[in-house]
Amino acid sequence: EAGVTQFPSHSVIEKGQTVTLRCDPISGHDNLYWYRRVMGKEIKFLLHFVKESKQDESGMPNNRFLAERTGGTYSTLKVQPAELEDSGVYFCASSHLQDYTDTQYFGPGTRLTVL
Amino acid sequence: AQSVAQPEDQVNVAEGNPLTVKCTYSVSGNPYLFWYVQYPNRGLQFLLKYITGDNLVKGSYGFEAEFNKSQTSFHLKKPSALVSDSALYFCAVRDRGGGADGLTFGKGTHLIIQP
Repeated sequence: EAGVTQFPSHSVIEKGQTVTLRCDPISGHDNLYWYRRVMGKEIKFLLHFVKESKQDESGMPNNRFLAERTGGTYSTLKVQPAELEDSGVYFCASSHLQDYTDTQYFGPGTRLTVL
Repeated sequence: AQSVAQPEDQVNVAEGNPLTVKCTYSVSGNPYLFWYVQYPNRGLQFLLKYITGDNLVKGSYGFEAEFNKSQTSFHLKKPSALVSDSALYFCAVRDRGGGADGLTFGKGTHLIIQP
């Protein structure tokens, strides 16, 4: 079974530019999560999809971040315009809707550097 | 609000010795507790979880963790460390009773196993 995949693995952009990150969850996983780790700090929850619906977006830092999951399969996270403080590693995770413990399986992350 | 503390940034252990990576948590209700490991240039890999029942939980690669409700701790242990166990370890919690959908993580502990 393929794991969670993320693209790109690295992205370096200038302040003010736009970047779109992609996550493909494990097949059959209806739950999809985005997290972010800023250098040396905790991994922070950003938002949670159940299928195509946003279940909880309480962790999204501001309206420069837009997440979508059209069709309930892969998800994208767009940052527009990017700021220096957006640099970090963005992780995606997925889990089975039927797993009441919600064990989440993570992708390798996208390392975003904003210059 | 829930939180996780990993008091040690780094733990050094000689190969063959037992290891412990500490984790304490705070939630308003009852917790689900998780340990994840991150190897260099890889995503977070699920190690084990505590749901209910037996306080000693066994996981992948010979790791185990002990849930202690009175001390609100969930320390990760292994009887005999391997050099290949060297990695970054994250403890995470989720409140069964609600709150944000995502996991709350500690800052991570670098485990270094010396040959």
